[in-house]
Amino acid sequence: DAGVIQSPRHEVTEMGQEVTLRCKPISGHDYLFWYRQTMMRGLELLIYFNNNVPIDDSGMPEDRFSAKMPNASFSTLKIQPSEPRDSAVYFCASSLVGAGSNTEAFFGQGTRLTVV
Amino acid sequence: AQSVTQPDIHITVSEGASLELRCNYSYGATPYLFWYVQSPGQGLQLLLKYFSGDTLVQGIKGFEAEFKRSQSSFNLRKPSVHWSDAAEYFCAVGPFTGGGNKLTFGTGTQLKVEL
Repeated sequence: DAGVIQSPRHEVTEMGQEVTLRCKPISGHDYLFWYRQTMMRGLELLIYFNNNVPIDDSGMPEDRFSAKMPNASFSTLKIQPSEPRDSAVYFCASSLVGAGSNTEAFFGQGTRLTVV
Repeated sequence: AQSVTQPDIHITVSEGASLELRCNYSYGATPYLFWYVQSPGQGLQLLLKYFSGDTLVQGIKGFEAEFKRSQSSFNLRKPSVHWSDAAEYFCAVGPFTGGGNKLTFGTGTQLKVEL
């Protein structure tokens, strides 16, 4: 498996524009997570899905952020409109359901977003 | 609420020296504990994890960590550091039920290795 795939790797956009980040989880994984990493706040969980259903979006900063998972192999994180304070590295991760030694989160390489 | 504290923001060690990175957690139940490493421009890679059993766990790249429930700690160690170990290291805690989901990360420790 190629692992968790995120696109684009880098995105530079102007304030006010819509930004869409994409993620392909590892095939067969039941959970998908979106994290944001900034110098000030470190790694924060934004939202996670179980079997394509959003379970907890309490980490989504505000209504400008939305996430979808239309099927088991694809998820998007959208910011509309974008602001400079949204500049960060956004990571997608996936994992298998259940407790046990096979449970760990596998991370993609991240999307570095810069809003100017 | 669960939380993770990594008290050392930066650590510098000489190549070949031993290493210990500290991690303290707060969690109301039996936790899953993880150490991840992040190289510049890369995603996070799992080094090791603890969920039950032997409190000393072995990971990849020669790393190990010891879970001490009485101290709420999960410190990462390596007996001899290599220059390629220079990276940022994150400790994380997650709920036991449902596996390592919804992780809470520490703020990270940046490791510099002097040749």
